[in-house]
Amino acid sequence: DAKTTQPTSMDCAEGRAANLPCNHSTISGNEYVYWYRQIHSQGPQYIIHGLKNNETNEMASLIITEDRKSSTLILPHATLRDTAVYYCIVNAGGTSYGKLTFGQGTILTVHP
Amino acid sequence: SAVISQKPSRDICQRGTSLTIQCQVDSQVTMMFWYRQQPGQSLTLIATANQGSEATYESGFVIDKFPISRPNLTFSTLTVSNMSPEDSSIYLCSVARGLGEAFFGQGTRLTVV
Repeated sequence: DAKTTQPTSMDCAEGRAANLPCNHSTISGNEYVYWYRQIHSQGPQYIIHGLKNNETNEMASLIITEDRKSSTLILPHATLRDTAVYYCIVNAGGTSYGKLTFGQGTILTVHP
Repeated sequence: SAVISQKPSRDICQRGTSLTIQCQVDSQVTMMFWYRQQPGQSLTLIATANQGSEATYESGFVIDKFPISRPNLTFSTLTVSNMSPEDSSIYLCSVARGLGEAFFGQGTRLTVV
């Protein structure tokens, strides 16, 4: 699986959009980009995934660049409950289906 | 999504003993995954548990230390054997759905004293 690079930490004001970047410059054509978050003392929570098109669900939006070498997770209106570690992971499925390689992620702190 | 229940949620164990962690899923799945999260660290995959076959272990993890059972398509156990303080971690099970979206239990927080 391709390696990802994320900033160690970010801050965001409550009510504002949180934009979390991820670099995955070695991504292969069949690899999806997944985002998860882990709120303190809980198991990771799936947020969203995409292949090459932008995706949106009730939690977030995922913007993938045309060359697929980077992506941005957008939380449109961050709340204090969005404070968590956010992980960007690429995975091709197949023999790697469900097997995730977690990096250190981005610690997002949402402040009042 | 998937509902995953883990037991126990936490435990404090004496060194040299073993602890078995249970993971129950609300529907049948082919593969279940076990992860470890050491204090202040990210998650590391321990092994993949397939029903009807031996578990597949990742580099650095061995069956003698982390034996896994998978008796049916909704249940798995992970045993942490002959524990030492270095085994103090959160242990999590997960399953995958659809295009590989993973869902996790709440974890078992293990402290070895």
